[in-house]
Amino acid sequence: GQNIDQPTEMTATEGAIVQINCTYQTSGFNGLFWYQQHAGEAPTFLSYNVLDGLEEKGRFSSFLSRSKGYSYLLLKELQMKDSASYLCAVLLRKAAGNKLTFGGGTRVLVKP
Amino acid sequence: GAGVSQSPSNKVTEKGKDVELRCDPISGHTALYWYRQSLGQGLEFLIYFQGNSAPDKSGLPSDRFSAERTGGSVSTLTIQRTQQEDSAVYLCASRSRAGLAGGPPDTQYFGPGTRLTVL
Repeated sequence: GQNIDQPTEMTATEGAIVQINCTYQTSGFNGLFWYQQHAGEAPTFLSYNVLDGLEEKGRFSSFLSRSKGYSYLLLKELQMKDSASYLCAVLLRKAAGNKLTFGGGTRVLVKP
Repeated sequence: GAGVSQSPSNKVTEKGKDVELRCDPISGHTALYWYRQSLGQGLEFLIYFQGNSAPDKSGLPSDRFSAERTGGSVSTLTIQRTQQEDSAVYLCASRSRAGLAGGPPDTQYFGPGTRLTVL
């Protein structure tokens, strides 16, 4: 079966850095997405990795190691508005079409 | 439209009643997905449409759940004889194979969801 693990909750201070880890055990890996979801809102796309290495986009970076089944999302210079859930999702190759499988999400609380 | 829209935004129903949830995908998106999200949980895949056909409906939890898509656009998710455990947020997403500004190919764009409460 498919297994995607990420911590349930993390707390950090405004201005600090937080790293959210995601490990996965899947078959047919075709890329990894990170989504941000504020309470009561729709998930919004943050980043995508398909090759090993680091993708940087402003204050957010995402890293992938396919051999280790591991990714992390790095949030720098934390702001209060970064308090949200962060969802790790693996894109799987299926005969019926590519399919996203989500982890349980990591709730990040940014404190002043 | 500019984004994925869903209606109603909130639905309260009594146990045993049927409900219909609607999703309007981004114009031109051929793929459409339904997910369910319970409080504080991740997204649980329900069903996937490519055009009007559903090549993957493996996530539907029981035969009380069904979905259809017409004209390659609007989709409805129907839950018959609702149970209290059906209470959740139901999210719809659409996808285009081609990359759009702000996202690579295969990026799914989500609607705001329908919060279903079964009393």
